[in-house]
Amino acid sequence: GEDVEQSLFLSVREGDSSVINCTYTDSSSTYLYWYKQEPGAGLQLLTYIFSNMDMKQDQRLTVLLNKKDKHLSLRIADTQTGDSAIYFCAEMYNQGGKLIFGQGTELSVKP
Amino acid sequence: EAGVTQFPSHSVIEKGQTVTLRCDPISGHDNLYWYRRVMGKEIKFLLHFVKESKQDESGMPNNRFLAERTGGTYSTLKVQPAELEDSGVYFCASSHWTENTGELFFGEGSRLTVL
Repeated sequence: GEDVEQSLFLSVREGDSSVINCTYTDSSSTYLYWYKQEPGAGLQLLTYIFSNMDMKQDQRLTVLLNKKDKHLSLRIADTQTGDSAIYFCAEMYNQGGKLIFGQGTELSVKP
Repeated sequence: EAGVTQFPSHSVIEKGQTVTLRCDPISGHDNLYWYRRVMGKEIKFLLHFVKESKQDESGMPNNRFLAERTGGTYSTLKVQPAELEDSGVYFCASSHWTENTGELFFGEGSRLTVL
């Protein structure tokens, strides 16, 4: 069945780059997503990438997609303390709007 | 424009009781989804409405869970009777039908604690 895996924790220093990795199993995924959840808040869509793209950049965020290895990554440049949150990777399953999420990576940014 | 709103934000009930969670999607969004995150694990899909119809309810755990969306507007998710393992955060999301990039707009979630 479909599955999305992420590492659970990442700790970086303020100003460094953060790279959050994700692997997925459904090769027919059309879109892959990164969502952010800050403490006490809902899920916020950060960015998404269509499966025929290799890379997408949006200000400090860079998404890389390796379809062959089914690997997705999110790079946050110049990480700030306000970036501390849980980051969820997700894939769209079967084009019906159903998303398959990973367990989330808790990013901790130390000053 | 108001986002997806959920009520209550937190509910604490005893095992065997009933709880009803409500979700108001963004106005005009035909798609409405329920997801939940249990015990810090992954966020799991429960079901998908298109207007008032259940499009996909493959994620509903068992018949103690009942979701409705009368009139195709707001939705309720009832858990009856609640069990300990139902504790978690229940998220609602909505999206516009024709813009199927999968950009789901999530609410802040309803945290359910079953004692």
